[in-house]
Amino acid sequence: AAGVIQSPRHLIKEKRETATLKCYPIPRHDTVYWYQQGPGQDPQFLISFYEKMQSDKGSIPDRFSAQQFSDYHSELNMSSLELGDSALYFCASSRDRGHGTEAFFGQGTRLTVV
Amino acid sequence: SQQGEEDPQALSIQEGENATMNCSYKTSINNLQWYRQNSGRGLVHLILIRSNEREKHSGRLRVTLDTSKKSSSLLITASRAADTASYFCATAPTGANSKLTFGKGITLSVRP
Repeated sequence: AAGVIQSPRHLIKEKRETATLKCYPIPRHDTVYWYQQGPGQDPQFLISFYEKMQSDKGSIPDRFSAQQFSDYHSELNMSSLELGDSALYFCASSRDRGHGTEAFFGQGTRLTVV
Repeated sequence: SQQGEEDPQALSIQEGENATMNCSYKTSINNLQWYRQNSGRGLVHLILIRSNEREKHSGRLRVTLDTSKKSSSLLITASRAADTASYFCATAPTGANSKLTFGKGITLSVRP
């Protein structure tokens, strides 16, 4: 069965650079979530989209932005990267805003800022 | 404290024993989900329990939900070394929003 695909799996960037993370949700899933997980931390909700519209916003820095495209894939854009942005970034997708069904997570993108 | 607080934070048991992990939350929820994560890997969905359910089983997993106490427990029976991982509960709130909130994970170590 198709799963959530994230790319790239690993990314190394220097401070003040920009990064773009991509997420391809499971087909027919209408909701996409982005999470940030620092070392030894729990996943922190960043932002979600429902039917290509922003649905909820969490602790996403102003330097970050995200969007969902017509084919339902989503991108997380990160600018002016800081050392503290080094983390695992997960994308997840679900149906029906996650109210009735579970969210499926991708394998994550490990971002290292040096 | 945060939504979806788990306790204990770390648990070490012998293979074959049962492991019980608890989670508390603060707001009204539509459902509560438990996830497992092996070190540095993705989050794997284990089980979902809806707000109108009190108990659910899936293989060696048993989850309970007490909405009056805003708490849930995950029981893993007959644990195996392969169950060693971090476990998180996550809550989906009521209302027209899409936000799955995770609590702090519980690190489970199962000794062979």
